[in-house]
Amino acid sequence: GIQVEQSPPDLILQEGANSTLRCNFSDSVNNLQWFHQNPWGQLINLFYIPSGTKQNGRLSATTVATERYSLLYISSSQTTDSGVYFCAVSGEPGANSKLTFGKGITLSVRP
Amino acid sequence: DVKVTQSSRYLVKRTGEKVFLECVQDMDHENMFWYRQDPGLGLRLIYFSYDVKMKEKGDIPEGYSVSREKKERFSLILESASTNQTSMYLCAHKAGGPAYEQYFGPGTRLTVT
Repeated sequence: GIQVEQSPPDLILQEGANSTLRCNFSDSVNNLQWFHQNPWGQLINLFYIPSGTKQNGRLSATTVATERYSLLYISSSQTTDSGVYFCAVSGEPGANSKLTFGKGITLSVRP
Repeated sequence: DVKVTQSSRYLVKRTGEKVFLECVQDMDHENMFWYRQDPGLGLRLIYFSYDVKMKEKGDIPEGYSVSREKKERFSLILESASTNQTSMYLCAHKAGGPAYEQYFGPGTRLTVT
């Protein structure tokens, strides 16, 4: 099956700094999502981005499908950005497609 | 707004008990999923359902069963809970087909003593 690698595994930032989180995948995809897991454990949808670029406030994401990677950019980081960021992909056609998750990137933003 | 609820945020059960975890979504989505999340192991798929009364095993189905009698509700059943089933359980749903966004519920932290 498709492999997903996220890097770096851990990241510590000072509040106000910018960061880039990377997701590499091993095959072509028709679905790619970024999630943020908050301290209470819930996964919050950030972006649905199988290709192209999207922006939402201080966050933006770019997926270069032909080169099999996606980047999540966080600008002017805040302590509330802390948590685990997951990239998940699917390359399966059909109605029963399932996401494959990376191991996550743990981000700590210090005041 | 997408809304998916799970029956409990925190649950403590004894070894050998039968445990039911429920998930309800209001998006009329065909696909529903149950995952467990453990430190160092990431998210692992237990079961998923792509229609009412339809189910497929995920990566770690042993010790679990599921039920989907209505489209909006997907239940995870631990027939006889064991301590190694202590975990965070996450329900998710999405429309049928690959190019749709998946949404997660708030999660249930289950402790089996």
